[in-house]
Amino acid sequence: DAGITQSPRHKVTETGTPVTLRCHQTENHRYMYWYRQDPGHGLRLIHYSYGVKDTDKGEVSDGYSVSRSKTEDFLLTLESATSSQTSVYFCAISESVRANTEAFFGQGTRLTVV
Amino acid sequence: SQQGEEDPQALSIQEGENATMNCSYKTSINNLQWYRQNSGRGLVHLILIRSNEREKHSGRLRVTLDTSKKSSSLLITASRAADTASYFCATCLTDSWGKLQFGAGTQVVVTP
Repeated sequence: DAGITQSPRHKVTETGTPVTLRCHQTENHRYMYWYRQDPGHGLRLIHYSYGVKDTDKGEVSDGYSVSRSKTEDFLLTLESATSSQTSVYFCAISESVRANTEAFFGQGTRLTVV
Repeated sequence: SQQGEEDPQALSIQEGENATMNCSYKTSINNLQWYRQNSGRGLVHLILIRSNEREKHSGRLRVTLDTSKKSSSLLITASRAADTASYFCATCLTDSWGKLQFGAGTQVVVTP
């Protein structure tokens, strides 16, 4: 497996609380991604990063923020968790998808908002 | 709406048969990639096809790309029970800094 670690792997939180998910890589890849996976929707891109401090929104970015202060870490924050954010969250990394290299995925974080 | 849309949503076949699934997308791409996901696991990369390529093979996998129709197909030949998984196409868009967007996936069940 590529060197990607997501933490935590499972989390239950209450509505209205802030939550931060962490993605850590040891591959020194430039690109990092956060996706959420829900039944019937496949993977939907939340945010992605193309370098330190360089991030952009995906298709479902509302209610989420990200930060990348170091190459190896990409943090996803739910400022005030809602039940609709209950999902499985995947982090992915890539050396350069534009240069035709594949993405590698973490094992996922299962988040439940009650 | 999502960039890539797979068809069919679900596919059930017997071992030894071929499985074909299709992916359509909406905007110009650098490349298109196929991934597999076993239940409860992360995604695993299968094959990447560049926008200037029309066909690519990897083992029992064959991928085609038709940029004029904005579509791709994944063929798994001589399927095995271990091929049971969800399969996703992902597109890298030309107008982004490496945005990689996925479709909803095709769930494939291969019965012995």
